[in-house]
Amino acid sequence: EAQVTQNPRYLITVTGKKLTVTCSQNMNHEYMSWYRQDPGLGLRQIYYSMNVEVTDKGDVPEGYKVSRKEKRNFPLILESPSPNQTSLYFCASRWGDRPYNEQFFGPGTRLTVL
Amino acid sequence: AQSVTQLGSHVSVSEGALVLLRCNYSSSVPPYLFWYVQYPNQGLQLLLKYTSAATLVKGINGFEAEFKKSETSFHLTKPSAHMSDAAEYFCAVPYLNAGGTSYGKLTFGQGTILTVHP
Repeated sequence: EAQVTQNPRYLITVTGKKLTVTCSQNMNHEYMSWYRQDPGLGLRQIYYSMNVEVTDKGDVPEGYKVSRKEKRNFPLILESPSPNQTSLYFCASRWGDRPYNEQFFGPGTRLTVL
Repeated sequence: AQSVTQLGSHVSVSEGALVLLRCNYSSSVPPYLFWYVQYPNQGLQLLLKYTSAATLVKGINGFEAEFKKSETSFHLTKPSAHMSDAAEYFCAVPYLNAGGTSYGKLTFGQGTILTVHP
């Protein structure tokens, strides 16, 4: 089954404790993105990747890092989480560079930073 | 800047009633628009997309949307609501830079929560 998977689905942590949220897709997609969803703001892009070893900032990159060492994986790293990073996070992937191609989303990771 | 605005953060309808969720886009958007649905505790799922092939777009689960350039709108409708339609709905537009590259980015509206009551 074609899908985007994320782990963990739920995470409660404390300020300053480094964490990684994993994302994997099995569709051989070039493009991958991370979004955060906050009430009343919709989804906002954090980082994106166009292919292996090619990443760049989205709209809200502060406090986040990413890497793309393999085509299927795109982990999101919070090196020193803060309470304002409490949010619902989605990983997404898309085939090709056509803007009308569908983005496929993972099930989300709900992060709480105390 | 390319953007979409969803009017109404919450919409409540009775089962069997017409569903109308509003989305207006800025005039600078490219000719592509999406509607996504998010069911509770799930990721986003594509409902339908406009790619300029036809102004009336039919999607899954009986939803459709009409692209109206004169009104800069892409409202989502369904003739008869079902309890299973209760979800949050997002209108989105792909971001394009000056060179026409999208970088896989979607710009989302604020979302509309649809409640369906018996």
